[in-house]
Amino acid sequence: KAGVTQTPRYLIKTRGQQVTLSCSPISGHRSVSWYQQTPGQGLQFLFEYFSETQRNKGNFPGRFSGRQFSNSRSEMNVSTLELGDSALYLCASRLIAGGIYNEQFFGPGTRLTVL
Amino acid sequence: GQQLNQSPQSMFIQEGEDVSMNCTSSSIFNTWLWYKQDPGEGPVLLIALYKAGELTSNGRLTAQFGITRKDSFLNISASIPSDVGIYFCAGTPNRDDKIIFGKGTRLHILP
Repeated sequence: KAGVTQTPRYLIKTRGQQVTLSCSPISGHRSVSWYQQTPGQGLQFLFEYFSETQRNKGNFPGRFSGRQFSNSRSEMNVSTLELGDSALYLCASRLIAGGIYNEQFFGPGTRLTVL
Repeated sequence: GQQLNQSPQSMFIQEGEDVSMNCTSSSIFNTWLWYKQDPGEGPVLLIALYKAGELTSNGRLTAQFGITRKDSFLNISASIPSDVGIYFCAGTPNRDDKIIFGKGTRLHILP
């Protein structure tokens, strides 16, 4: 079974631009979460989608948004990029949100650099 | 909101030594997960725990779900150079479907 895949792996943008990152969960997984990780920081939770609905949300500004499609694939969008948005963006999937088994599996991440 | 306190923040050990790190919360958790992250990569799930008192091993790694359901620990025996990385604990609080992460323990192995 293929793992979580994220595209692109690396991205360079300039301030003010917008960016869209993509995530394909493990086959059969219906929940997708997004995290931001900056050097020296832990995993900052952005949001979780389950069955095309945003289930949980972290404390990030409205410039960060996401969506999930009927095939469970998810996209994350960041508008009006700022230098501080440079980070590793991680996507993770689990079977369902709120079930008994909560094993969450991560993709390799997208390294975003904002110049 | 709920938080996980993970300690220590970093560790410097000699190759071959055993390692112990732990995670505590102020509220009850239903699930404990332990991850390892190599530089520039996504975290990899090492062990998942679902019952209070559960002790689970994965090779040289052993993790336990605390009896009080408010803590968990991870032990690594006979450390080797490839054990270097950041170890994260995570869990789902009781009556909640969110997964909460600790801030990580960075493991360094001295030659």
